[in-house]
Formats: sequence, C-alpha cells, structure tokens
Amino acid sequence: TQLLEQSPQFLSIQEGENLTVYCNSSSVFSSLQWYRQEPGEGPVLLVTVVTGGEVKKLKRLTFQFGDARKDSSLHITAAQPGDTGLYLCAGAPSKAAGNKLTFGGGTRVLVKP
Amino acid sequence: NAGVTQTPKFRILKIGQSMTLQCTQDMNHNYMYWYRQDPGMGLKLIYYSVGAGITDKGEVPNGYNVSRSTTEDFPLRLELAAPSQTSVYFCASSYGRGNYGYTFGSGTRLTVV
Repeated sequence: TQLLEQSPQFLSIQEGENLTVYCNSSSVFSSLQWYRQEPGEGPVLLVTVVTGGEVKKLKRLTFQFGDARKDSSLHITAAQPGDTGLYLCAGAPSKAAGNKLTFGGGTRVLVKP
Repeated sequence: NAGVTQTPKFRILKIGQSMTLQCTQDMNHNYMYWYRQDPGMGLKLIYYSVGAGITDKGEVPNGYNVSRSTTEDFPLRLELAAPSQTSVYFCASSYGRGNYGYTFGSGTRLTVV
C-alpha cells in the first residue's frame, strides 16, 4: 500500500498570513492532486500536477510537485477566511491502476478574520 | 448539470440491518468509486468500477457489495450493518485512465447503533 502523509494535521492562522501544507510519500506517483473539502460536502478538485518539479498557480494558491514525484506542497499567500477547509492530497500510483487515488489524511486549515 | 448525486444524505441503522446507498452521475464517466471517511481521517477506497458490469475491491471491501449495471449508477450495499461501518460515504466518478480528477458527491452520513 502506498501511503501519503500530510503535515501539519491542523493549521490555524490569521487572515493575511501565509501557510504551507506538505504531502510526502516514499513512493513515486504518476500524478498528484489537491482537493479542498468543506463541512458537509464532498472534496472538490483544485489542481493536478503531473511532471516532476512542476509548479502550478491558482490565484493565491501555489502547488508544487517534487522533482522525484514523491512529494508535493500547497502554499497559500495572504490567506482569507474563505480558504478555511480540509485540504487533501491524493496520488495516482500508476496509469494502469484503474485511476485509483490514494488519499492523505488531510490538513484542516482555519483562517480567522 | 447535477454531477454526482448521492442519496440518502443521512441514515441511522440498527446493528444487523441492511441498506443500499445510491449513487448516480450524469457526466458519462466510465470510472466510479466508493470511499469512506472516518473522523479526522482521509478517504479509504471500498470498491471501484471501470465500466458497466466491471467492479473490483479497494482497500476496505469487507461488509460491502457493489454492482454496476449501467454507466450512470453505482449503488453500495451494506449487509448486516456493524458499528464499525459508522462513517461518511462518498461516491466519486472520473473520466477514465490517466490523470483525471474525481468529481465527488456530497456524501451519506451513516450511523450504526
């Protein structure tokens, strides 16, 4: 079983501060996805990173895939209360695996106004 | 565009009862999945399907069954409910092989007492 470990588990910051969430594994993934989940809802896809070293930006969110495709990070600049939620990373082990994703345990982010 | 629809939203079952969680998608996605999410944890794969008539076990299949008679529907059956099956269940779909993201339903919160 390929595991994804997220850190920290919980993050509480003030509006306007920056934060970084990490997603690490000892296994190589063909791609890595980030989702945000709000209470009572299913996760919503934010981004997919595919190439080692790839950096993608989505407004104030910056996603990076490690060179070895074993880790990823999510950085939020000038966080806002609307960024509050559970952030999940998910890795696709291989293209031949039914597109099954392995999910990390999640990082709960609270942005206080 | 409805996406992935799950019913019911909430359910309380007594130990030993059975029920079916319904999931339907209108995006013509070939791949569908059932995950469970326990408090403070990530998502664990129960079953998945790569097309009508094809299903396979995920990480935690014991106590569950699925069927996939059409592209749109992927019901999850719980037989002889146990307290360990208390969880939030999410159905998801994706386009197919490759690095496609998942579209999730809004979940079913199940309590077994």
